[in-house]
Amino acid sequence: QSALTQPASVSGSPGQSITISCTGTSNDVGHYDNVCWYQQHPGKAPRLMISDVRSRPSGVPDRFSGSKSGNTASLSISGLQAEDEADYYCCSFTTSRSVIFGGGTKLTVL
Amino acid sequence: QITLKESGPSLVKPTQTLTLTCIVSGFSVTTRGVGVGWIRQPPGKALEWLALIYWDDDERYSPSLKNRLTITKDASKNEVVLTMTNMDPVDTATYYCAHRPAAGSLGQYDYWGQGTQVTVSS
Repeated sequence: QSALTQPASVSGSPGQSITISCTGTSNDVGHYDNVCWYQQHPGKAPRLMISDVRSRPSGVPDRFSGSKSGNTASLSISGLQAEDEADYYCCSFTTSRSVIFGGGTKLTVL
Repeated sequence: QITLKESGPSLVKPTQTLTLTCIVSGFSVTTRGVGVGWIRQPPGKALEWLALIYWDDDERYSPSLKNRLTITKDASKNEVVLTMTNMDPVDTATYYCAHRPAAGSLGQYDYWGQGTQVTVSS
């Protein structure tokens, strides 16, 4: 199974909003509402930001939100802050009862 | 406070078997609904999900690596072990173990270990 498709990079200025897309297939993103998003700073372990398409774990700012339409999920970040600069990965449960990650998106805060 | 810590060799030779241990604290690997998973990340590349074991010993594996992976847990030590056979240089990566909460989806990991770097080279 191929990785979920994410843009390699996105950028935005402080205070702006950005959206990162995550495109899969009818066997993963399109089949289940089990899409997660992780943030990873260099040299650090990933941090769960969104689960089940749009649920935010405790401690995650409400500037982060998730959505899904068909085979594509999205992570939106509003009011960009310098500390949001990181790599972001989506993941999804699949019909083969496994997990697939996206290729990752590097977010640059200009 | 939930913590996880990976341990294992930093260097293995091609064709050897890798054994990694995840020692957990702050929860029991037998707590109903809980799971412990393994995820790896080659240098400069994306995350790749490997396997997960549930509280009841049910196992899940990446389809592409299923034939090389075995995940087990030792309740008495509160640890989870991942073995990967026939190691190859492309398996060079940081290997993470992570906690999947009860009622969470298979890809939902709320606590992660610091990761352990494994290099495959002769």
